[in-house]
Amino acid sequence: AQKVTQAQTEISVVEKEDVTLDCVYETRDTTYYLFWYKQPPSGELVFLIRRNSFDEQNEISGRYSWNFQKSTSSFNFTITASQVVDSAVYFCALSGSASGYALNFGKGTSLLVTP
Amino acid sequence: DAGITQSPRHKVTETGTPVTLRCHQTENHRYMYWYRQDPGHGLRLIHYSYGVKDTDKGEVSDGYSVSRSKTEDFLLTLESATSSQTSVYFCAISESLGTANTEAFFGQGTRLTVV
Repeated sequence: AQKVTQAQTEISVVEKEDVTLDCVYETRDTTYYLFWYKQPPSGELVFLIRRNSFDEQNEISGRYSWNFQKSTSSFNFTITASQVVDSAVYFCALSGSASGYALNFGKGTSLLVTP
Repeated sequence: DAGITQSPRHKVTETGTPVTLRCHQTENHRYMYWYRQDPGHGLRLIHYSYGVKDTDKGEVSDGYSVSRSKTEDFLLTLESATSSQTSVYFCAISESLGTANTEAFFGQGTRLTVV
């Protein structure tokens, strides 16, 4: 079975603070894929990143960075110097053969960035 | 943006009536998915399709059926709508599975209210 846990339901920060969104996953697959999606207040789902299980290299994209650690089954997402426009719900997801490669989502973390 | 169109975008229907939601893609992607999003549950997979006339059940398939007679269209039918099916429904498409192109692109969602 596959499972994604986002323990933080809601996070509130003040603009310019750094914030880390946690994601812990469970899978029996040896090859799998991890994702982060952003859902702004407008409601659409925006793809942010995909990481393959065999590639543990961390990634940075502007103010966004992702830390993938297979040893702890975690794929955490950090926003540096947060901005009001980062306010959204963020979903972590897992894909593998156990689910027919359909995305299996966590329940999401709602991030509120205030001025 | 990926060419995915969901229709209708909003619908109010009465309990016991059948409802069909349509997902149309212009990307010629093989895989299509229907998810529902509910507060506290994130996104949950209803059904998915891996080709014309090839479909399979997801986590929350009871009360739903799907059909895919053409590559570009994936229909979700609520056979007899119930209030528990009030939700936001998202369609997603994916070019391939279990490969480097596994990310899914989402439609804008359909808000369905069953009264």
